[in-house]
This record gives sequence, C-alpha cells and structure tokens, in this order.
Amino acid sequence: EVQLVESGGGLVQPGRSLRLSCSASGFTFADHDMHWVRQSPGKGLEWVSHVSWDSGTITYADSVKGRFTISRDNAKSSLYLQMNNVTAEDTAIYYCAKDKGVWQLVGMDVWGQGTTVTVSS
Amino acid sequence: QSALTQPASVSGSPGQPITISCTGTGNDVGSYNLVSWYQQSPGKAPKLIIYEIARRPSGVSNRFSASKSGNTASLTISGLQAEDEGDYYCCSYVHTGGWVFGGGTKLTVL
Repeated sequence: EVQLVESGGGLVQPGRSLRLSCSASGFTFADHDMHWVRQSPGKGLEWVSHVSWDSGTITYADSVKGRFTISRDNAKSSLYLQMNNVTAEDTAIYYCAKDKGVWQLVGMDVWGQGTTVTVSS
Repeated sequence: QSALTQPASVSGSPGQPITISCTGTGNDVGSYNLVSWYQQSPGKAPKLIIYEIARRPSGVSNRFSASKSGNTASLTISGLQAEDEGDYYCCSYVHTGGWVFGGGTKLTVL
C-alpha cells in the first residue's frame, strides 16, 4: 500500500524552528517529485514547496522563501521540511504529497494524513 | 503567486450535473497542461480526481470530467450523488516553477 506518514508537528513559539518529516512506503520514493502543502484552520490549500526526485530542482512559495528548507533522503524514503523563524501565519496542517509522475511533474496523487503546526506564544 | 479563482460554493440536486470553474492567468492555467483537481471531505486529506487537465486516476468515477479553455479550467460532475459533497480545489503549475491552488469551492448536494 502506498503511504505517506508525516510527523514533527506541534506547538512552537513565534520565531522558533521546527522540522517536519514524511516517511514514504509502498512505492519507489527516489522516482518521484515530492511536495509540501498546508491548510490553515478553516482555509484552503496552499502549496508550500517542491523537491524533484533527485533534489536537483527545489521551489518555494513566496510566503516561506528564505525561512523554510525542503530536503529529501532517498535512501531513507523520507522527505523533510525545516521551518525557521515561524510566525502565526504558519499555523496549519502540513501535508506531504507524492507527485504522480515518474521523474516528471504531473500532479499530487498521494497525500499523507497531515501533521498540525501551531505557532503561538 | 495569486490563488486561482474559483466560486466559493455551488450546489445541485442528485442526478444533476454541476460545473466548477477555475480561472488563472497566462502564467499558470493558460500556459501549462499541469492542471489538476482535488476533492476534500471534512477532516480528510485531499484526493486527486483529475490531472493533466482532463485525465482521471484509476479508481475515480467517470462522472468526473474536466477541460480547459484559455486561462480557465473547468470540472464537471455529472449525475451528482450525496457522496460528492465536499470541497474542490483546482491547482496549476506556475511559470516561476511553483504551484498555485484555487481558493476552493464548497459543493452542496441538495
């Protein structure tokens, strides 16, 4: 079964850091681009970041550029999101998502259950 | 990266068709085939229902269809069923290399 499991969420103070992880199973992780998408309480989906299958291409939403860093470890089938200098606007459920394409972008076909990040003092 | 424009809500009776529009610009929807649609039920993760403008993943009902004309993509659900209720989001690749979602449309089956 193809599965993504996020972890690392929690309560964090403004200005502090947090690292999210996403563990993948059931597919060849190294063949697929991966994404982080977030959803603030009661709001819509917001794409956060993308990393290509080989880490050769990395992109960020303007709202997190310079503060968040995406990375992956294909040997461990894991995706990460390092969140620095967080603000209240970063409070959201964070989903990791697999791209359907093999070595190319198509769309996000598998999603994790999400991990909740709450930024508050 | 401005959000794509979707109607906030649509509704329809069981058995009727509905269409949800998704309007972007020449920098996203208008320039790429990488337009996808997602269905989200309350408390659940989104589910991919359409990718590459009009392709359906395996297991998705053929009642879901989609198209694109210019800067606007559209999702049509034929033969509405109660289980179709939820939020629907479009998503497009953007010329800067990122992605952008629509604001979401809440579908109510009357």
